[in-house]
Amino acid sequence: EEQLVESGGGQVKPGGSLTVSCAASGFSFRGYNMNWVRQAPGKGLEWVASISSFNNYIYYVDSVKGRFTISRDNAKDSLSLHMQSLRVEDTALYYCVRDKYASPPGPSDLWGQGAMVTVSS
Amino acid sequence: SYVLTQPPSVSVAPGTTARITCGGNNIGSKSVHWYQQRPGQAPVLVVFDDSDRPSGIPERISGSNSGSTASLTISRVEVGDEADYYCQVWDSNSDCYVFGPGTKVTVL
Repeated sequence: EEQLVESGGGQVKPGGSLTVSCAASGFSFRGYNMNWVRQAPGKGLEWVASISSFNNYIYYVDSVKGRFTISRDNAKDSLSLHMQSLRVEDTALYYCVRDKYASPPGPSDLWGQGAMVTVSS
Repeated sequence: SYVLTQPPSVSVAPGTTARITCGGNNIGSKSVHWYQQRPGQAPVLVVFDDSDRPSGIPERISGSNSGSTASLTISRVEVGDEADYYCQVWDSNSDCYVFGPGTKVTVL
């Protein structure tokens, strides 16, 4: 079964750092573009970052540029999002998401269940 | 950056047709994807590239895209179709994915 499982969520103070990770299984991870998409409590979906299959394309939403870093380890079938200088408005459920293709653009055809990140003093 | 608009809510009776619109500047020139998110669950892709369906998505769910409006149509609506629906495009000018604000479908 194709699966994405996030981990590493938690509570952090404003200005702090946190890394969320995603373990992929059941498919050839290295062949797909991967994303992080977040959803604040009671709000809509917001795309955060993308990384193509061999790291040749990396993109971020403007609000996280310079603060968040997306990375992947194709040997370990894993995706990470390192977040620093966190703000209250970064509080959200962070989904690990697979695209249908090796690089953007493309539809997202596999979603994890999400990791909750809460930024609060 | 590119902006997508959706109605906040659509209410329909069981067995009727729900149509959800997604507006954007010349959206007809872009590929539009649609996601269904049931309460407490992760989103699921229901239509991609304007009108294609992933395996397992019923034929009564369909999509179209022309001019300034893309649409998701759900025929013979069932109680299980109650969910939030989001459209998505790639903004090539900004190299980013954009989601619409979402439409809550309520089955009366």
